[in-house]
Amino acid sequence: NAGVTQTPKFQVLKTGQSMTLQCAQDMNHEYMSWYRQDPGMGLRLIHYSVGAGITDQGEVPNGYNVSRSTTEDFPLRLLSAAPSQTSVYFCASSYSPRGFSGNTIYFGEGSWLTVV
Amino acid sequence: EDQVTQSPEALRLQEGESSSLNCSYTVSGLRGLFWYRQDPGKGPEFLFTLYSAGEEKEKERLKATLTKKESFLHITAPKPEDSATYLCAATDNYGQNFVFGPGTRLSVLP
Repeated sequence: NAGVTQTPKFQVLKTGQSMTLQCAQDMNHEYMSWYRQDPGMGLRLIHYSVGAGITDQGEVPNGYNVSRSTTEDFPLRLLSAAPSQTSVYFCASSYSPRGFSGNTIYFGEGSWLTVV
Repeated sequence: EDQVTQSPEALRLQEGESSSLNCSYTVSGLRGLFWYRQDPGKGPEFLFTLYSAGEEKEKERLKATLTKKESFLHITAPKPEDSATYLCAATDNYGQNFVFGPGTRLSVLP
């Protein structure tokens, strides 16, 4: 089972460059989300989607765009990379937004991004 | 504002030395309290969900408990393979935003 697949695993960007972090899940989950993880701050929600064609902002959305054209894919775009976006990014999915009653949230392996 | 804090930030135990990790939350209308394990270079892995005060869940050497303001992850006779960062998260009645704590980094020495 592939689960949640993220690419690339590692990326170095120059300030001002743009890039897309890819996320795909093969569990037919409606709910997908992107988090960033920084030391001492825990996981913070960037954007989420409750289904194809529907996206919304999380806690720290500035500088990021998302789209959800299919159930399987939820790419995260950095429009103009800044050093403050140096972080580890995790994509996650679950059957429903509520993530309980057995609807576990599954995380990808992470994408390490450095902006210089 | 919904908030989740965890203590201690780091914990070092000898193999077999039992201890507890704390997760304190201030979430309006708590709908679920979650524990995850995260190994270095990996994504968080789901451990437990707790829904109401007084509830307990167990898995091997781990037991999670929940009160109205905090949750504990008890580790009994830990082994080196239990070394990881343990994350706590809470969700409110709407269930769309998980608020994560910063984690406790556990090291179990042989």
